[in-house]
Amino acid sequence: EDQVTQSPEALRLQEGESSSLNCSYTVSGLRGLFWYRQDPGKGPEFLFTLYSAGEEKEKERLKATLTKKESFLHITAPKPEDSATYLCAGGNRDDKIIFGKGTRLHILP
Amino acid sequence: ETGVTQSPTHLIKTRGQQVTLRCSSQSGHNTVSWYQQALGQGPQFIFQYYREEENGRGNFPPRFSGLQFPNYSSELNVNALELDDSALYLCASSWGDGQDYTFGSGTRLTVV
Repeated sequence: EDQVTQSPEALRLQEGESSSLNCSYTVSGLRGLFWYRQDPGKGPEFLFTLYSAGEEKEKERLKATLTKKESFLHITAPKPEDSATYLCAGGNRDDKIIFGKGTRLHILP
Repeated sequence: ETGVTQSPTHLIKTRGQQVTLRCSSQSGHNTVSWYQQALGQGPQFIFQYYREEENGRGNFPPRFSGLQFPNYSSELNVNALELDDSALYLCASSWGDGQDYTFGSGTRLTVV
């Protein structure tokens, strides 16, 4: 069964304290690994798509990387406005997107 | 370019009732997917529509049904509402079989 597991469930960091969020996946015929940001009461906002192991993508303070079993979302020198839930999802060969439960990130000023 | 819009934003229904949620896809997108997100959980895939045909379904009972219209807008219908149906319902659109979805802000359904 396709599965996406994210860790940790919640993370509190001081402003400027860099860290990484983990996403482990078992997805049949992975067609893409997605990262989304979700603010409370809102829909997920697309951040990145990664297609093959070794691929990296960056956007401002965020960098996403992909291996054959995991993806990492690295956040460098975060600011309070980076506080949100970050969702990882895998697209399988049947065009279904399987989401993890997310990591709730809180950046303290 | 307009994004994905969903209506209503909030809804309260009584157990056993029926509900219809609506979604307008992003301009140029012809595929719509619906997701259920319970509090503290990731979105769960309900079903997907492409060119007015259902072309994928998750593990949801038949009382969850949908439609896609010629303008690619979509409806999610839920019959015989249960308390566990309380959740944020998200609509996402994309082009063709592309998986780069744009999500709406969702409809918060509360069943009492």
